[in-house]
Amino acid sequence: DQQVKQNSPSLSVQEGRISILNCDYTNSMFDYFLWYKKYPAEGPTFLISISSIKDKNEDGRFTVFLNKSAKHLSLHIVPSQPGDSAVYFCAASDFETSYDKVIFGPGTSLSVIP
Amino acid sequence: DAGVTQSPTHLIKTRGQQVTLRCSPKSGHDTVSWYQQALGQGPQFIFQYYEEEERQRGNFPDRFSGHQFPNYSSELNVNALLLGDSALYLCASSHPGTGQETQYFGPGTRLLVL
Repeated sequence: DQQVKQNSPSLSVQEGRISILNCDYTNSMFDYFLWYKKYPAEGPTFLISISSIKDKNEDGRFTVFLNKSAKHLSLHIVPSQPGDSAVYFCAASDFETSYDKVIFGPGTSLSVIP
Repeated sequence: DAGVTQSPTHLIKTRGQQVTLRCSPKSGHDTVSWYQQALGQGPQFIFQYYEEEERQRGNFPDRFSGHQFPNYSSELNVNALLLGDSALYLCASSHPGTGQETQYFGPGTRLLVL
């Protein structure tokens, strides 16, 4: 049973426009959420995170929104750049009981078209 | 700083064989986690090692075992290989108490079981 879902396997966006990547989760015990970016032949790299006590976290061009009641989060990239083309993984953890055990979604492949 | 390194980069084995994958953590990190990433899926947590002991484990059979050495490097062993074990195996290192966002991933070892 997939606890973290990313229902869009791929997304194409024009350079300069907004990219919105969505993620849904089923486990209500999750209280910490992360986004990772992965380029081919490299390991995932941390991008941005959000605690369940917040509904928004911003870091430069990247903003993550969390809707706890809907068990939904999204990553906004504005403006999108060609270098943002990568696979993006949404991940979650239950901070209290499984601090270091991170559950990943299947990923969304983002293509930013120049 | 070399970051997280893994060896070998690629490996081909046949069903029933045993394999050992190796990981050297980032300098200053003493915790190592292993993940399996099947094609089209996100990384799945196998287990984590800290102070040479397995601290947490995901839903993987006992065929998957590991070890951490005094220098914090780690090995992942898989016995009685199955075709379904074909995947990218990622190692991630971190320092306890610093949050998942400081978990650094290596480039992975791609295992193909024939």
